[in-house]
Amino acid sequence: GESVGLHLPTLSVQEGDNSIINCAYSNSASDYFIWYKQESGKGPQFIIDIRSNMDKRQGQRVTVLLNKTVKHLSLQIAATQPGDSAVYFCAEIPSGYSTLTFGKGTMLLVSP
Amino acid sequence: NAGVTQTPKFQVLKTGQSMTLQCAQDMNHNSMYWYRQDPGMGLRLIYYSASEGTTDKGEVPNGYNVSRLNKREFSLRLESAAPSQTSVYFCASSERTGGSYEQYFGPGTRLTVT
Repeated sequence: GESVGLHLPTLSVQEGDNSIINCAYSNSASDYFIWYKQESGKGPQFIIDIRSNMDKRQGQRVTVLLNKTVKHLSLQIAATQPGDSAVYFCAEIPSGYSTLTFGKGTMLLVSP
Repeated sequence: NAGVTQTPKFQVLKTGQSMTLQCAQDMNHNSMYWYRQDPGMGLRLIYYSASEGTTDKGEVPNGYNVSRLNKREFSLRLESAAPSQTSVYFCASSERTGGSYEQYFGPGTRLTVT
């Protein structure tokens, strides 16, 4: 069958580069955002989250930036490694709701 | 801790057949979810259970039923499978603590309906 990555936007980088994965969200009332990583054949794994009262949050090698003015979210990965190759999803929770709405995903390919 | 487990891992059904996908979590989470994932579509919520004894429809509930058997287990049933239900199905669980909505996902069930 088709892979989950078929037809996805793809970002190709070299090992050691910094990667930036972008996500446009639709609901201006969303107040919580989360990034997931999905490796081939596996379930999504949590990377980092951010609330709408923040502009930036940092984790280990990852930074999430939130621009509420243009409804844009980005995930920055520092010193990208081949193990970072995966599909990355952003998800949002609109205010008053409790369930996540996922974006379509971006495939990150890291070459050695 | 096994986290979230799903059975079976793979399944092939003929149109019209029925089956139940099983999901269990050992993290004592209140909330559980069923998603389907199709190529280029991301994850779409089928049904969820905010707590034991409650279930609610998600974005794409038609053709599915769910049962929250107890706090640990949440099953998804296809009563009469259709080719449009060919997909990868993921179960997830969460516990809202400290303002986090992080969901923990199982490994998925790859279903083909012919």
